[in-house]
Amino acid sequence: TQLLEQSPQFLSIQEGENLTVYCNSSSVFSSLQWYRQEPGEGPVLLVTVVTGGEVKKLKRLTFQFGDARKDSSLHITAAQPGDTGLYLCAGFFTGGGNKLTFGTGTQLKVEL
Amino acid sequence: DSGVTQTPKHLITATGQRVTLRCSPRSGDLSVYWYQQSLDQGLQFLIQYYNGEERAKGNILERFSAQQFPDLHSELNLSSLELGDSALYFCASSPSLAGPRMETQYFGPGTRLLVL
Repeated sequence: TQLLEQSPQFLSIQEGENLTVYCNSSSVFSSLQWYRQEPGEGPVLLVTVVTGGEVKKLKRLTFQFGDARKDSSLHITAAQPGDTGLYLCAGFFTGGGNKLTFGTGTQLKVEL
Repeated sequence: DSGVTQTPKHLITATGQRVTLRCSPRSGDLSVYWYQQSLDQGLQFLIQYYNGEERAKGNILERFSAQQFPDLHSELNLSSLELGDSALYFCASSPSLAGPRMETQYFGPGTRLLVL
């Protein structure tokens, strides 16, 4: 069974702080995605990364894909209360077909 | 609003019962995916259908089954329900099977199932 471990599991910070969420696996991804989920709603796709070493930016969010395509990180600069939510990484593993495997999740709370 | 609709929003039932969850994909999307989200297991892929045919299977129990109809809506049937089946069940859709690894899956709002 391929596992995606996220850390930290919970994160509570003040508005304006920076944070990084990590997503790690022992297996290689063919592509990796990051989602944000808010209470009572389904996950919403933020980004897809495909190439090892790839960096993508989405406003204050920076996503990095590890060189070996086994890990990824999400960095948020100057967090805002609107960033509060459950952040999930999800990957298509090499040889795993079309099965999307989700990480364990990071619950972020940004307070004023 | 993702354009994916799921009914019902909430469902409370008893152990041993059978329920059907319904999903309507976004207009034009041919693929439908079902996921289960629970506190202990996280978000897990159950099954995928493309244009009426099963295309990928995940950790779906034998007590669970799904189908996709000619109008592309899908149903997830859960039978002989157990307490541990209590979870959020999400449906997602995407345009086609051509490139699921690069495609966006659009998630519905989910059905919250409580088995008592």
